[in-house]
Parts: sequence; structure tokens; C-alpha cells
Amino acid sequence: DIQMTQSPSSLSASVGDRVTISCRASQRISSYLNWYQQKPGTAPKLLIYAASSLQSGVPSRFSGSGSETDFTLTISSLQPEDFATYYCQQSYSTPPTFGQGTRLEIK
Amino acid sequence: QVQLVQSGAEVKKPGSSVKVSCTASGGTFNNYAIAWVRQAPGQGLEWMGGIIPFFETTNYAQKFQGRLTITTDESTSTAYMELSSLRSEDTAMYFCARENQSGFIDYWGQGTVVTVSS
Repeated sequence: DIQMTQSPSSLSASVGDRVTISCRASQRISSYLNWYQQKPGTAPKLLIYAASSLQSGVPSRFSGSGSETDFTLTISSLQPEDFATYYCQQSYSTPPTFGQGTRLEIK
Repeated sequence: QVQLVQSGAEVKKPGSSVKVSCTASGGTFNNYAIAWVRQAPGQGLEWMGGIIPFFETTNYAQKFQGRLTITTDESTSTAYMELSSLRSEDTAMYFCARENQSGFIDYWGQGTVVTVSS
């Protein structure tokens, strides 16, 4: 199985900050990388698919980049509703695997 | 708008089985894979397996082979996840989800809590 490693595991930031979360795959996955946001007690929500494509309805402050093994999710200016846990997922091979999550907290 | 509605919470004894349903509406049920993803308390997301209703083909994570069965009923646009030989470590929130052809998940059910306790 492909291992996905996110960093950092947790992050404290303030409203208005620019935040970057990294995700590394244990082998090359082209651009088959997706990002999800999850708030407590709710299902995850798709933010970015295919490494850099913004899902419909997701604010443009979210962006994704990278290819093969190294990927980044960037939030350009944090809003109060962005404090949540973020997961990357590879969909290059079965089974699809998720990173361990990055918890974004209010500073 | 696609909606996935799951059945309610379950409490099960160790060694028993649980069957969770997921009913789809607002989209074409047969054309997409339905996956099951679970999340243990305070933990991350774990893909368990999936099914493509049109072909009735299934794929299971190695970890669940032999214990997991995913089926569909096209007449009601419902997918089912049955997990047997339950143990305490299976206590989790179970989500059904629609997988796009490129493998990303664009719609999720609300989740079903399964508690395994003696």
C-alpha cells in the first residue's frame, strides 16, 4: 500500500494567516492526490482533487500543488470556518490511502 | 444534488456482525463506485472497500478480506456494508461515499456509529 505522510500533524494559526500543509507519498502517484477538510462529528468535505483542481463551491483561498511524491495544500488567508482537520488521499492505486491528518487550531 | 443517507447507530457484541445501509438519491447510482471509509474515535480515515454497482465488482482492503462484504440493491439505489467477527477495535464511525472515476470522493454519507462492546 502507498503510505501518505502529512506534516505538520498539528498547526496553530491566526485568522488572516497563510497556511501550508504538506503531504508526501511513499511512491510516485502522478497527480492522483486529493485534499479533504473535516470538522468534528461531520463527514469529510472534498476541497481539491487531482492535486490542484478546486472542487466546485470551495473558496478560492484554498489551493493545491505538487506532483509525483510531494504535494501542498495552501490556505491563503485563514477564515474562522477553516479551523478543522485536513487529510490528503492518494487515488493512484488500490487501496486508496489517507494521510494521518493535520489539525489546524486557532492561535 | 446527490445525497447519501445511512442507517442508524448500532451496538454489537464481539463476534457478531453488523450491516449498514447507504441509500443514494439525486444522481445516477450505477455509474460510480460506492466506497466505505471508517474512522475510529480520534483517529484518521481508513478506506475499507468499494463496489461499482453497474458491474457488481468489489474491491476490499487486504486488512478486511474475509470479514467485509459490500453489496448493492440497484432497485432501491442502496449499498450495504457488512462486517463480521466484530471486535472492540471495529468501534468507529462508518461512512459510505461516492468515488468519482478518478478516485476522489465527492459525496459522503452522514456516517453511522458502530459500537462493539460486551
